[in-house]
Amino acid sequence: DVKVTQSSRYLVKRTGEKVFLECVQDMDHENMFWYRQDPGLGLRLIYFSYDVKMKEKGDIPEGYSVSREKKERFSLILESASTNQTSMYLCASSLRTAYSNQPQHFGDGTRLSIL
Amino acid sequence: AQKITQTQPGMFVQEKEAVTLDCTYDTSDPSYGLFWYKQPSSGEMIFLIYQGSYDQQNATEGRYSLNFQKARKSANLVISASQLGDSAMYFCAMREVPNAGGTSYGKLTFGQGTILTVHP
Repeated sequence: DVKVTQSSRYLVKRTGEKVFLECVQDMDHENMFWYRQDPGLGLRLIYFSYDVKMKEKGDIPEGYSVSREKKERFSLILESASTNQTSMYLCASSLRTAYSNQPQHFGDGTRLSIL
Repeated sequence: AQKITQTQPGMFVQEKEAVTLDCTYDTSDPSYGLFWYKQPSSGEMIFLIYQGSYDQQNATEGRYSLNFQKARKSANLVISASQLGDSAMYFCAMREVPNAGGTSYGKLTFGQGTILTVHP
C-alpha cells in the first residue's frame, strides 16, 4: 500500500514564525501536492511538484513556499505565519502518467493553528 | 477552467438504506477523470471510486457505485446499504487529461464536500 506520512497531526505556532510541514511518500511517485482544507471550501491546491527540485504554483500559493530536494519528500513552508493560515493541510502523491485513472494518495493531514 | 459543485452540504440516511451524493462538473476538456474520496473525522482522505469520461459503464466498487451522466455533467455517488462507518465527509474531484503528447501532473479540482450522517 502507498504510504504518505505527514510529520505532525497537530501543530500550534505563533504569528510571524517560520513553519515547516513535512511530507514523505514511499511509492516512488513523481507528483506531490500540498492542499489546505477549510470548511465550505473543499481542498484548495497550494503548490505541487512533478519532479525533484521542480515546483508549480497551485490556486493559492501566496504566503507559502515549497521544497523538494529528494523525490520522496515534499516540504511546505510558511515564511511568516499569519492567523489566516490556520487550517488543515493535506499532502498527496501520485504517479506521473498520461492516463487519468491514477488517484492521489493522501497523508493523514496536519491541523495547524496560528496564534 | 474546471469546476466541481457539490450542492448538498449535509445528508442524513438511515442505516441499511441507500443514499445518493450529488456532484456536477464543468470542463471543456473532452477527456477527464472523476474521483470520489471519503474523509472520516480522523482526517485522512480515502480513495473510493473512479470514472473515466470515456468509460461506457458506470463504475462500481463494492457498495459504492457512480451514476455517471455525461450529457448532464453529473457524477453522483451511490452508497448502498449504508453503515454507521459511512458517516464522513465525501468529496468529488476531477482530473483533467492533457492532449496527446502532453504530460499530466495529476492535478485534481475538488468540490466543497458533503457531510453524510448515518443514523442507526
